[in-house]
Amino acid sequence: GAVVSQHPSWVICKSGTSVKIECRSLDFQATTMFWYRQFPKQSLMLMATSNEGSKATYEQGVEKDKFLINHASLTLSTLTVTSAHPEDSSFYICSAKGQSPISGANVLTFGAGSRLTVL
Amino acid sequence: SQQGEEDPQALSIQEGENATMNCSYKTSINNLQWYRQNSGRGLVHLILIRSNEREKHSGRLRVTLDTSKKSSSLLITASRAADTASYFCGGIQGFNKFYFGSGTKLNVKP
Repeated sequence: GAVVSQHPSWVICKSGTSVKIECRSLDFQATTMFWYRQFPKQSLMLMATSNEGSKATYEQGVEKDKFLINHASLTLSTLTVTSAHPEDSSFYICSAKGQSPISGANVLTFGAGSRLTVL
Repeated sequence: SQQGEEDPQALSIQEGENATMNCSYKTSINNLQWYRQNSGRGLVHLILIRSNEREKHSGRLRVTLDTSKKSSSLLITASRAADTASYFCGGIQGFNKFYFGSGTKLNVKP
């Protein structure tokens, strides 16, 4: 139980294009989703927190117009990297917080990550 | 890191030895979790320790938590080459946000 699917797992795009990454909670409803970014050999940096039906809260230094987050339903949040540039190349990971369908406890489950390479 | 530090940043040991990693955090937490990440891959949840617990075991893992010092440690006993990975602590802090520590890169030599 408490499975999060992240898609695509890797994507290569040209500079200037936009890329959308999806994060789905498959068997539970995620009231909150978190988006992280990880550069090579570094830790995961929280980019933004999104709650279903409301605007995302961005961490300091994260451009909200650059990284568009939509959490339109309790099972889906999307991160769109707009007008991507090579410096946006990174590993992006989402996580979903909700109630486990098995234990009933609040859980925080991570997706497998999406590796973005901007040429 | 955003809300915590880990030390050492890198640790290299021989197979069979124990590995200890420490994590400190900045604000109060309800629970603290440890994760493993193999190079370039997603996160694997290892263990969760609640703020009212001081120690927890799971297989070869032992986690301690000292809320007065805002610190935690992860001990891996009898390490194996397959334990080679980066290890992160994390927890809900502040306004219901989950932050990670800076991580420890463990290398277990066969």
